[in-house]
Amino acid sequence: AQSVSQHNHHVILSEAASLELGCNYSYGGTVNLFWYVQYPGQHLQLLLKYFSGDPLVKGIKGFEAEFIKSKFSFNLRKPSVQWSDTAEYFCAVTQAAGNKLTFGGGTRVLVKP
Amino acid sequence: DSGVTQTPKHLITATGQRVTLRCSPRSGDLSVYWYQQSLDQGLQFLIQYYNGEERAKGNILERFSAQQFPDLHSELNLSSLELGDSALYFCASSASGGAGTQYFGPGTRLTVL
Repeated sequence: AQSVSQHNHHVILSEAASLELGCNYSYGGTVNLFWYVQYPGQHLQLLLKYFSGDPLVKGIKGFEAEFIKSKFSFNLRKPSVQWSDTAEYFCAVTQAAGNKLTFGGGTRVLVKP
Repeated sequence: DSGVTQTPKHLITATGQRVTLRCSPRSGDLSVYWYQQSLDQGLQFLIQYYNGEERAKGNILERFSAQQFPDLHSELNLSSLELGDSALYFCASSASGGAGTQYFGPGTRLTVL
């Protein structure tokens, strides 16, 4: 069965700092990869996704992620965070032809103004 | 706003009771997914329906059941409720039955006392 690991459970940083959240998955076949964000009290929103093609994916709100197949990783980055980026971030995976999202445990990010 | 709606927003009930959560997918989407988000288990896939038929099953308890109606809305029925069933229940929808982007609703927060 596939699984997803997010190594950082909590991240605290100041505004304008750079953010990188790690995500590794375990599945030997072709996968689709997602990052979702959950702002306090809100539902999950899609930040970006990777299905195929250019492994560097740009999403909304200045986020990007890089798929490194050899490392089974899909790390999320943002060069300069804002206070409004305070949220919980979830990495998720489906098998290429599949539909069940398998989520990582989430990373809570707190951006101090 | 993802276009996925869920009712009710909050539900408080007692152990042993039965509740029904409702979800309306985005216009045109044929698949509905149910997920449970709890502190100890994280975000877990429960079940998927596609165009009225069950498509995939995850970690769904036997006390839980779901269905999708001809108008494509879905209901998740939770019975013989236990304290541990307290969680956020999210519905998501996608256009197809297979791989694709899932858009999440605002969730129903269930509290079992």
